Amino acid sequence: EVQLVESGGGLVQPGGSLRLSCTASRFTLSSYWMSWVRQAPGKGLEWVANIKEDGSEKFYVDSVEGRFTISRDNARNSLYLQMNSLRVEDTAVYYCVTGSYWGQGTLVTVSS
Amino acid sequence: SYELTQPPSVSVSPGQTARITCSGDALPKKYAYWYQQKSGQAPVLVIYEDSERPSGIPERFSGSTSGTMATLTISGAQVEDEADYYCYSTDSGGDHWVFGGGTKLTVL
Repeated sequence: EVQLVESGGGLVQPGGSLRLSCTASRFTLSSYWMSWVRQAPGKGLEWVANIKEDGSEKFYVDSVEGRFTISRDNARNSLYLQMNSLRVEDTAVYYCVTGSYWGQGTLVTVSS
Repeated sequence: SYELTQPPSVSVSPGQTARITCSGDALPKKYAYWYQQKSGQAPVLVIYEDSERPSGIPERFSGSTSGTMATLTISGAQVEDEADYYCYSTDSGGDHWVFGGGTKLTVL
C-alpha cells in the first residue's frame, strides 16, 4: 500500500520557522509532480505549492510566495516545505499530495 | 487570482441524483478534478481529468464539463456519500492550482 507520511508540524510563534517533511513508501516520488495542500481548522482545502519531478519548476499560492520554499530529494524519496515568517493565518493541517495519494497530514499551529 | 465557485451545500434523499457544480473561467481548457472529504479524514480523489473515475470509486460517481462549468454527479446517492466535495483545477497558465470552496452534500 502506498504511503505518504508527513512530519515536522507543531506549535510555533508568529514570525518563526518550521520545516515539513514527507516521506513516501511503496511509491516512487521522483516520477511525479508533488504538492503541499493545507486546510485551516473548519475551512476548505487550499493548494500551497507544487514542484516538478526533477525540482526544476516550483509554484506557490500568492499568500506564501517569498516565505515558503518547496523542495525534494528524490534519492531519499522525500518532499519538503520550508516555512519562514509564519503567520497566524498559516495555521492548518498540511498534506503532502500527488494525484490520488495523500498523506495523513501534519498540524501546524502558529500562535503566541 | 483565479477562483473556482461551488454551491455551499446540496441536499438530496437517498437514491436521488446529486449534482455538484464548479464554475471557473479556465475550465474549458483545463481539467477538473473532484475530491471527497469525510469528517476527520484526508480527501479521496473521485474523478480526475473531468470524467475519469479512479479504480475503487463506485460507478455512481461521474464527472462532466460544459463550457466554464464542471459537474460531479452522484447517481443514486447513498447515506455514506455524505461528505464535503471539492473541485480542483489550474488557472489558464497551468502554473497555479486552486480548490473550489467546497460543497457539503447531505443525503437524508
